[in-house]
Amino acid sequence: DTGVSQNPRHKITKRGQNVTFRCDPISEHNRLYWYRQTLGQGPEFLTYFQNEAQLEKSRLLSDRFSAERPKGSFSTLEIQRTEQGDSAMYLCASSLNGNTIYFGEGSWLTVV
Amino acid sequence: SQKIEQNSEALNIQEGKTATLTCNYTNYSPAYLQWYRQDPGRGPVFLLLIRENEKEKRKERLKVTFDTTLKQSLFHITASQPADSATYLCALIGSGTSYGKLTFGQGTILTVHP
Repeated sequence: DTGVSQNPRHKITKRGQNVTFRCDPISEHNRLYWYRQTLGQGPEFLTYFQNEAQLEKSRLLSDRFSAERPKGSFSTLEIQRTEQGDSAMYLCASSLNGNTIYFGEGSWLTVV
Repeated sequence: SQKIEQNSEALNIQEGKTATLTCNYTNYSPAYLQWYRQDPGRGPVFLLLIRENEKEKRKERLKVTFDTTLKQSLFHITASQPADSATYLCALIGSGTSYGKLTFGQGTILTVHP
């Protein structure tokens, strides 16, 4: 069990570009979550999957954001036409049936 | 609207003392509550989970209480050490359709001075 793995860990991109983050959850965890965190704040919920089904999306997740979990294993979070306000740490987490939730180390996004 | 508040942004204590952090919530019926530790630039690390029907949970130097009447959880670190310095996050998991989704407080930065 290697924990939740996220990559890339850091990404600097120009405004207007698209970026994609990948998350590999703990094996056999059926639930996968994406959160966003800015400095001085707690993580904010974006979306979660149970297996391959996306069950809930936050209003924070604008139409420029899309998340997938095609085979119920790894997940990707894509941000299209990035804006400076998208700069944050994007956290992935996983759990078995919604119990204890384990986080990855996060992917830092800086939009310049 | 649902709100989770942690008592202060920062808490400074001397090594060896007990740190007590508070988490209050409103307009929420949590199924259970979790506490996480977060170091700068890292993801949150799970510490303890307590269910709505449990009053207290302990793990080594950590103790969590959960009072659903007061809508409050207290998190204690006894015999604190400088290595305990970090941000501590309280998070609630709701019931029903919100089950499994964590809602976080803003965190308390704990500094333990030698």
